[in-house]
Amino acid sequence: KAGVTQTPRYLIKTRGQQVTLSCSPISGHRSVSWYQQTPGQGLQFLFEYFSETQRNKGNFPGRFSGRQFSNSRSEMNVSTLELGDSALYLCASSLLQGEKLFFGSGTQLSVL
Amino acid sequence: AQTVTQSQPEMSVQEAETVTLSCTYDTSENNYYLFWYKQPPSRQMILVIRQEAYKQQNATENRFSVNFQKAAKSFSLKISDSQLGDTAMYFCAYAGNFGNEKLTFGTGTRLTIIP
Repeated sequence: KAGVTQTPRYLIKTRGQQVTLSCSPISGHRSVSWYQQTPGQGLQFLFEYFSETQRNKGNFPGRFSGRQFSNSRSEMNVSTLELGDSALYLCASSLLQGEKLFFGSGTQLSVL
Repeated sequence: AQTVTQSQPEMSVQEAETVTLSCTYDTSENNYYLFWYKQPPSRQMILVIRQEAYKQQNATENRFSVNFQKAAKSFSLKISDSQLGDTAMYFCAYAGNFGNEKLTFGTGTRLTIIP
């Protein structure tokens, strides 16, 4: 069974641009969560989707958005990139509420 | 708001020895879940062990076990017979309600196993 797949693995953008990251959960998993990991702030929760509905949202500005498709694949978008958005973005999926979270290997975003 | 504190930024131990990583947390909720995740250089977060707060028995997974002290809000991880493959960042995490809706992570402990 394939794990959580995140694409791309690495991304380089410049300030002011926008970026879209993709996450394919484990087959059958309906919940997808996103986390940002930086050396300064550590791991922070961005948002969680279940059956195409956002159930939880972290304390990030509106430039950070996401969505989930009917096949449970999820995308997150960051508009008007800032240098501080440079981070490892991790996606995690689970079968149902209360089940274990399985993480992908992340997308490393560098904003120049 | 819930907080998770890991007071040991770095630790090292000889191969085959036992090591304990510390974690404390703060919450006003009665029902919650605690986790230890491992992040090797590959960057993928791997679940090591999971503890449900309403269970008094400490969780164990092979060489990994926890010491869960609910009243003290302490959740330490013990790794027995440590192996080189245990070298990684270890994160303690908290989740309320159903256990996976939103994880609050500690700052991590970098563990190095010395051959």
